[in-house]
Amino acid sequence: DGGITQSPKYLFRKEGQNVTLSCEQNLNHDAMYWYRQDPGQGLRLIYYSQIVNDFQKGDIAEGYSVSREKKESFPLTVTSAQKNPTAFYLCASSIYEGVYYTFGSGTRLTVV
Amino acid sequence: GESVGLHLPTLSVQEGDNSIINCAYSNSASDYFIWYKQESGKGPQFIIDIRSNMDKRQGQRVTVLLNKTVKHLSLQIAATQPGDSAVYFCAEKAGGSYIPTFGRGTSLIVHP
Repeated sequence: DGGITQSPKYLFRKEGQNVTLSCEQNLNHDAMYWYRQDPGQGLRLIYYSQIVNDFQKGDIAEGYSVSREKKESFPLTVTSAQKNPTAFYLCASSIYEGVYYTFGSGTRLTVV
Repeated sequence: GESVGLHLPTLSVQEGDNSIINCAYSNSASDYFIWYKQESGKGPQFIIDIRSNMDKRQGQRVTVLLNKTVKHLSLQIAATQPGDSAVYFCAEKAGGSYIPTFGRGTSLIVHP
């Protein structure tokens, strides 16, 4: 079955450490996205990528970095520069300029 | 600024009742609207969508109504079941952009 996979489901990080969240899709979607979700808030866009080797900052890109070396993969690195990284992170994909998002099941990151 | 918002953060209903979840939007250029369902600890799932040239669309047990005059849309769930308990998001997309804006979400609690 086609889908989008995020790993790990839970992740703990010590302050000052970088951590990378994985996102893989086998839907042959062109575009991929990273969102952050905090309790009681909507989804906030971190980064998105329309094609391989290209990506754009979203609304809250500071303290995060991404790469898009393959169409199927869009990893997100949460750097030590991110002041409040504890959150639920969602990856999504869609066809180019499509609005039918397929979401992953999310990664819950906790800084300890 | 332009935003998508929700009237009620939490809605409690009895099993078998009909549920109505409301969403206000302020961007008059929005031409496409989507409802997502997010169960606890999971990623959002597409429920139903509607384009601005329509005012009503029906799915299985769900109906979306769009009132462009007052910039309001609603999601109606018939015969609500415990499995419908989740957070429901509306999202809007303006013409020329393929990045939707997500609302904050409404938590639907269905009591057996």
